[in-house]
Formats: sequence, C-alpha cells, structure tokens
Amino acid sequence: AQSVTQLGSHVSVSEGALVLLRCNYSSSVPPYLFWYVQYPNQGLQLLLKYTSAATLVKGINGFEAEFKKSETSFHLTKPSAHMSDAAEYFCAVSGSFGNEKLTFGTGTRLTIIP
Amino acid sequence: GAVVSQHPSWVICKSGTSVKIECRSLDFQATTMFWYRQFPKQSLMLMATSNEGSKATYEQGVEKDKFLINHASLTLSTLTVTSAHPEDSSFYICSARVPWSGSSTDTQYFGPGTRLTVL
Repeated sequence: AQSVTQLGSHVSVSEGALVLLRCNYSSSVPPYLFWYVQYPNQGLQLLLKYTSAATLVKGINGFEAEFKKSETSFHLTKPSAHMSDAAEYFCAVSGSFGNEKLTFGTGTRLTIIP
Repeated sequence: GAVVSQHPSWVICKSGTSVKIECRSLDFQATTMFWYRQFPKQSLMLMATSNEGSKATYEQGVEKDKFLINHASLTLSTLTVTSAHPEDSSFYICSARVPWSGSSTDTQYFGPGTRLTVL
C-alpha cells in the first residue's frame, strides 16, 4: 500500500520568492511519484513525475522535484514564484509495477503575495 | 498531449433524480478510466476503475448500485448518480489512462471535472 503526506495545507510566498511544497511518501514497493496542479473548478494537470530514472525531475512551468529515498520525500520547488502559480497542488504515489492506482495527498494551497 | 473531456461541467438536480456524467478521451483510446470524487478543499478520492467492456471495480465504501459506471467504448465512460441526495453534491473528476505504454500509471490524463449540486 502507498500513501503520501503533504506538510502544510496552505503555503504563502511572495512573488519572486522560492516555492517549496513538501511531500513525504510511504510505499512498500518502489514508488512512482507525481505532482499535479489544480486551478479553481478545473481538473488536474500533471506538473512532473518520477518513474525511477533521474532523481531530480524537471516539470512544466519551471517546477522541479527531487526524489530522496533516504528521506522518503519528493518535495516540489520553483526558484521564483509567479502570480499565476497560485493554485492547489497535489502529490500522488503509485506502485511501479504498472496498471496501478494513484493515491493522492490532501493538497497544498499555494498563495502568491504581490 | 492527450485530452479528456467531461460533460456536463456543472449540473444542478433535484433530490431523488438521476444524473449522468460523461467522460471522453478525445484523441486516444482508453481501456481504463478512473472516477474520482472531490469534496471542497479536500483531495481526490478514487471511486472506481472503469474498464472497457467489463464491470467497473469499486473502491471500498462506494455503493456500486448508486454510482453506476458504464465503459461501453474505448473513448467513453459514464458515471450515473442514481437517486441523488444533497450529500452526493461534489466535484466529480474522471481520468483516462493511455494504453500500451511502457509505464502505464504515469499516463493518466484528467478531465476538467463536473460539479454536481443536488437540491
């Protein structure tokens, strides 16, 4: 079984500041890890994914995340926040054996302060 | 990228009526689709996995007789909320998985969601 914990249901950063959204996972098998973004009243858009290749994963919109097995973490970062980054962010995990379900974290709402 | 649509985007219905939500993969065929439910300010909870040509697999605690899922073609899955009640009001999101990829889990594409309000 897999699970993810997102620390901080709300994060506020100033425009231009570093964005750091935390995600820790638990998995009994090698995991695949994902970050999704959800804008109000919309579905989910995949930001990036880790599928056992490079541990530093670069995604869309300038986001990246690093898989750290020793820390069971997959934190999402962006060097400089933009107003358009304001949204809900979900970390998700699945097993790596294919055809497996996604388990989502509780989400982190990112607010950008002008 | 692959596009998934949902219809309607929002619906309001009276208590006791049934509502059908469609999920379509527009530019690819999806043997597997998923239905999620999201309450306000909460995460997505998987309701069921819909497989083309076979019965859906429901998650524990989801009433299969209340949430009817049909995946009659490789591009269409429907979720019917039967005898809807106010507590069924929620945001319903589907996703579709691109088949035959080397790593099938990481090719799930999400629809824009359907907001259901039951009066």
